[in-house]
Amino acid sequence: SQQGEEDPQALSIQEGENATMNCSYKTSINNLQWYRQNSGRGLVHLILIRSNEREKHSGRLRVTLDTSKKSSSLLITASRAADTASYFCATRSGGSYIPTFGRGTSLIVHP
Amino acid sequence: DAGVIQSPRHEVTEMGQEVTLRCKPISGHDYLFWYRQTMMRGLELLIYFNNNVPIDDSGMPEDRFSAKMPNASFSTLKIQPSEPRDSAVYFCASSKPGTTNYGYTFGSGTRLTVV
Repeated sequence: SQQGEEDPQALSIQEGENATMNCSYKTSINNLQWYRQNSGRGLVHLILIRSNEREKHSGRLRVTLDTSKKSSSLLITASRAADTASYFCATRSGGSYIPTFGRGTSLIVHP
Repeated sequence: DAGVIQSPRHEVTEMGQEVTLRCKPISGHDYLFWYRQTMMRGLELLIYFNNNVPIDDSGMPEDRFSAKMPNASFSTLKIQPSEPRDSAVYFCASSKPGTTNYGYTFGSGTRLTVV
């Protein structure tokens, strides 16, 4: 079963707008990662946030983590058509080295 | 580095035929993973290897599925006999603990269609 679940399942916005995706999980984690998947391609790692961190930035990406609510959000600012992709969160818990992936959010950015 | 290399990119086969998917991990990565992705079930971990040894194959759906890693630079996922419900995109990923993001890198996938 998936540990992380993304919300919404689909998001459609205009270029220039911000896009926010959320991830909720059930058990305590060591870290949480966000990945992007372009159509027909494999997943590409975007950013990793550790359980003792609350916020991280990478370019136009901003990730927050609220361990009390067991949730994370990914914000893409000033979106571009090239940001159109599916976005997945993945969590690592306990002694497991293996990340568990959610079902993803499908983002469409209209030019 | 060329990244994780999978072949073929697309495979169309008839029900009952044997299918072999191939993966070359990133040099130096000591973990290799096989995933299956479908609309219905999302991304499922099938099996993973550490230093060429299968560690957890609990995600392999049936005995029709088998995976091998004869050396550090090559792995195969075999389906025999194939069935239409095996149609999916199969991804290989490799990683190395101790690197950023554990170096978790996916290949481009093999889209399998069983007719």
